[in-house]
Amino acid sequence: GENVEQHPSTLSVQEGDSAVIKCTYSDSASNYFPWYKQELGKRPQLIIDIRSNVGEKKDQRIAVTLNKTAKHFSLHITETQPEDSAVYFCAASIRSGGYNKLIFGAGTRLAVHP
Amino acid sequence: DADVTQTPRNRITKTGKRIMLECSQTKGHDRMYWYRQDPGLGLRLIYYSFDVKDINKGEISDGYSVSRQAQAKFSLSLESAIPNQTALYFCATSDRDSDDRYGYTFGSGTRLTVV
Repeated sequence: GENVEQHPSTLSVQEGDSAVIKCTYSDSASNYFPWYKQELGKRPQLIIDIRSNVGEKKDQRIAVTLNKTAKHFSLHITETQPEDSAVYFCAASIRSGGYNKLIFGAGTRLAVHP
Repeated sequence: DADVTQTPRNRITKTGKRIMLECSQTKGHDRMYWYRQDPGLGLRLIYYSFDVKDINKGEISDGYSVSRQAQAKFSLSLESAIPNQTALYFCATSDRDSDDRYGYTFGSGTRLTVV
């Protein structure tokens, strides 16, 4: 079935360094790729998303890139700060019965050390 | 955010008991979802509903059932709870905007422990 693979499962960086999280998807019809951030004890919240007709999108310190040919997309966080520490989930849209739903990756636990 | 509300927030129940988790939303979204979160496994879809008369199984529906009582309410039931259903459960809603996006709004989650 359709799936989304996410790597790495854990990532530890020093404050100020960059962090990159990568995801691959299986359904070539997927056309929407959101990223969610889940802080400890809280709900996942959308931080950035990208549609399939765009190769890159940036919002301040975060950016997402998409390679449709290779079916992979990545989250880039620059100048990391301790408050970036959280679990990050990627997702890809899957077509089902005329509607789209999201399939999530397993998550990456990012730790930013001061 | 109080716009997607889950009750209860925490629940401990015994093996074999029936339990219902409730979700209500004030966002006016047609689409509602139930996900389960386990460490290392991410968010896995249990059931989803695209409108009041539409119910669909997700990837891990066995042992669960749902009811869409109204556009704003979507309940998840465990008919006979078992310990491996111990997890964090999230309800989510979505709507489609003109840019073909499907961003979800999640509830605060229900932490369920089956002993």
